[in-house]
Amino acid sequence: SAVISQKPSRDICQRGTSLTIQCQVDSQVTMMFWYRQQPGQSLTLIATANQGSEATYESGFVIDKFPISRPNLTFSTLTVSNMSPEDSSIYLCSVTTGANYGYTFGSGTRLTVV
Amino acid sequence: AQKVTQAQTEISVVEKEDVTLDCVYETRDTTYYLFWYKQPPSGELVFLIRRNSFDEQNEISGRYSWNFQKSTSSFNFTITASQVVDSAVYFCALTHAHQAGTALIFGKGTTLSVSS
Repeated sequence: SAVISQKPSRDICQRGTSLTIQCQVDSQVTMMFWYRQQPGQSLTLIATANQGSEATYESGFVIDKFPISRPNLTFSTLTVSNMSPEDSSIYLCSVTTGANYGYTFGSGTRLTVV
Repeated sequence: AQKVTQAQTEISVVEKEDVTLDCVYETRDTTYYLFWYKQPPSGELVFLIRRNSFDEQNEISGRYSWNFQKSTSSFNFTITASQVVDSAVYFCALTHAHQAGTALIFGKGTTLSVSS
């Protein structure tokens, strides 16, 4: 299965600033997903990122707030823009080459906004 | 629409007790996949099992077992002789059987606390 390197692992940011999270995969994958896990909550899908096309955002998430890039089949970034304390969460990327092959998750980025 | 319900928010047991974590799902698809993940306090997601909708056989892996029943749309997880190291949040998840893969939809999770 694929191995994901997610960076940074954690960060403390000032409100109003932006943070870009990177996920590097050791193999080419079709589908990449970005999730948010608020404190004590489950994983909520932010968007699906396909290479060569615009990301598809879930209800409640917008591109201006969470711009995503997917320049190739092994890399993606998620930016959390104009941060507020409510954005304090763990952000995770995930990849799959098909449900039958399973899903791999990054180790997560623990973001605290002060 | 797909949905996963884990009605048990928190469960507390004493070591060596057996515990069952419930998962009920909703989907209109005839072909789908179900998953269980463990999230220990360190935060990483640990894959436990994947089951497709055509395979209703129960599975046992050491102290872990899974009971998949399509008739009741349930995919329950039992830990036998629980240990303190089993303390974690457990998530049940569901996805379509799309060729290229679609996102996992997670239940709210069940926090299991095992005391010694």
